[in-house]
Amino acid sequence: GQNIDQPTEMTATEGAIVQINCTYQTSGFNGLFWYQQHAGEAPTFLSYNVLDGLEEKGRFSSFLSRSKGYSYLLLKELQMKDSASYLCAVRPLYNFNKFYFGSGTKLNVKP
Amino acid sequence: ETGVTQTPRHLVMGMTNKKSLKCEQHLGHNAMYWYKQSAKKPLELMFVYSLEERVENNSVPSRFSPECPNSSHLFLHLHTLQPEDSALYLCASSHDRAPPGAKNIQYFGAGTRLSVL
Repeated sequence: GQNIDQPTEMTATEGAIVQINCTYQTSGFNGLFWYQQHAGEAPTFLSYNVLDGLEEKGRFSSFLSRSKGYSYLLLKELQMKDSASYLCAVRPLYNFNKFYFGSGTKLNVKP
Repeated sequence: ETGVTQTPRHLVMGMTNKKSLKCEQHLGHNAMYWYKQSAKKPLELMFVYSLEERVENNSVPSRFSPECPNSSHLFLHLHTLQPEDSALYLCASSHDRAPPGAKNIQYFGAGTRLSVL
């Protein structure tokens, strides 16, 4: 079966750094995606990893280790607007259009 | 604005009603998806349409009936729903096939918040 695990909720302070972890067990692997979802809004694409290593995009970075079935999303210089849910999704090898999502991590940024 | 528009944004219906959810994408994609999002649960993939043909149906009850008349539009027809069907219904779109190494990102609409009384 498919299993994607993320912490349910995290709290961090404005200006700080936070790391949101995602572990997965899937039938084959063909990419891992991170999405941000503000309450009442569409999930929006943040990052994509298919090879091991770190992908950096401004204040956001995402890391992947395929051998460990592990990824993290790193948010630097946190801003209040970063308060949202962060969704980890894995695409299996055998189905290009199918994503398996975790339950999401709700991040609360406090002043 | 993600390029995927869903209407209505909110819907309240009784168990005997029939209603439809609409999704439209302006991204030139040829694959479209319906997902169900319930509180504290992962997004559940319901249906996938690729080139207007249904290619995935994840054991969804027949009270949910999808329709894809063209590559830009997707509908979800609802009838005799149950209270446990109350959730956020998200539509997404992507390219069906992308070159090797392409990300094939799914772009989501803001969803329809459905309440079944």
